[in-house]
Amino acid sequence: LAKTTQPISMDSYEGQEVNITCSHNNIATNDYITWYQQFPSQGPRFIIQGYKTKVTNEVASLFIPADRKSSTLSLPRVSLSDTAVYYCLVGDINQGGKLIFGQGTELSVKP
Amino acid sequence: DTGVSQDPRHKITKRGQNVTFRCDPISEHNRLYWYRQTLGQGPEFLTYFQNEAQLEKSRLLSDRFSAERPKGSFSTLEIQRTEQGDSAMYLCASTLGAPKDEQFFGPGTRLTVL
Repeated sequence: LAKTTQPISMDSYEGQEVNITCSHNNIATNDYITWYQQFPSQGPRFIIQGYKTKVTNEVASLFIPADRKSSTLSLPRVSLSDTAVYYCLVGDINQGGKLIFGQGTELSVKP
Repeated sequence: DTGVSQDPRHKITKRGQNVTFRCDPISEHNRLYWYRQTLGQGPEFLTYFQNEAQLEKSRLLSDRFSAERPKGSFSTLEIQRTEQGDSAMYLCASTLGAPKDEQFFGPGTRLTVL
């Protein structure tokens, strides 16, 4: 399973776009990139998943360059409720699907 | 509410006691996972089931930890002879599997070992 590296923490202000970049230099051909969000005292919540190029859903976008060695989660116009820890995970969803979490990025959104 | 429930939500026990946690996944989900999370760390994978079969348990922290999913529905995680180092949040997740493999996590069981 590919190891991921993310910033430990980030600060932002309400209404701004936030981009969190994750490095995964050893990503394998069959690996997907998935992001989860976790609030204190709750289980993680799926945000978005992608394999290559760009994926967008109602809450975020995921940008994956051609070499797939990194990915960027983009949160448009964050609000205070987006304050949470964000995890980038890489793995083959067809090989058991167990998730290997790193330390994540603690995002703090200020008014 | 993700549809995955865990019971109890909090458990306080004395060192040396046995504890058992229950997880009820989303009914049509055939995969079920257990994770442990300590303060400031990401969740740590423990074991998972495909229906009633336990497909990986190598990450279970010691032989004091065991998990079952007898009928392929709910699952239990047991910790025998608890130690203070077992204090953590124990998370359960379920999924339908590929192609998307989105895991739905329960609220967790917070274990405190005194």
